[in-house]
Amino acid sequence: DADVTQTPRNRITKTGKRIMLECSQTKGHDRMYWYRQDPGLGLRLIYYSFDVKDINKGEISDGYSVSRQAQAKFSLSLESAIPNQTALYFCATSDELAGAINEQFFGPGTRLTVL
Amino acid sequence: DAKTTQPNSMESNEEEPVHLPCNHSTISGTDYIHWYRQLPSQGPEYVIHGLTSNVNNRMASLAIAEDRKSSTLILHRATLRDAAVYYCILRPGAQKLVFGQGTRLTINP
Repeated sequence: DADVTQTPRNRITKTGKRIMLECSQTKGHDRMYWYRQDPGLGLRLIYYSFDVKDINKGEISDGYSVSRQAQAKFSLSLESAIPNQTALYFCATSDELAGAINEQFFGPGTRLTVL
Repeated sequence: DAKTTQPNSMESNEEEPVHLPCNHSTISGTDYIHWYRQLPSQGPEYVIHGLTSNVNNRMASLAIAEDRKSSTLILHRATLRDAAVYYCILRPGAQKLVFGQGTRLTINP
């Protein structure tokens, strides 16, 4: 079974709709991240959470919100989807080990299309 | 965040070594050099990281210049499965990753 799972894997929605993307992990990691990737570009950080009570904005948080329901679950919401939010969305996790470099583990991605 | 510069694309042949360069002239003393790769239709995966000394693992080697202003990811014997986008990332300690556009590596049979 995959350590980091994302649901749905593909979603087509209409402008103005609310949509939630979910991420679950079985790695027991404290840190979770949401990224988006546009065609031909690298990943950009939307939000990240270092533990259940900690939520931080990334470089492109406008139009998005997140919820860290538990250590293992981190959801990304688009309150009112717009076409330029069409992208590939990745969730990632990492551990927090003092003095160590915390490798990030990525989910398989959610392809979101907003019409 | 300190920036990295990578070629947009590179091409190599199967079973030959591949050297992927990365320039990071504004690197600071606390920045670790990380490499991730993204296979087609997948999320990125960690490849290797280093600070000052050259590093080896089962996937690749990382050669870091003495002044740390550049580094090279070395795939010793490329396979078709190594075709991916390779990202060179500077990361101070355990901070978040900042991805650039990476190098798209094509492997010819």
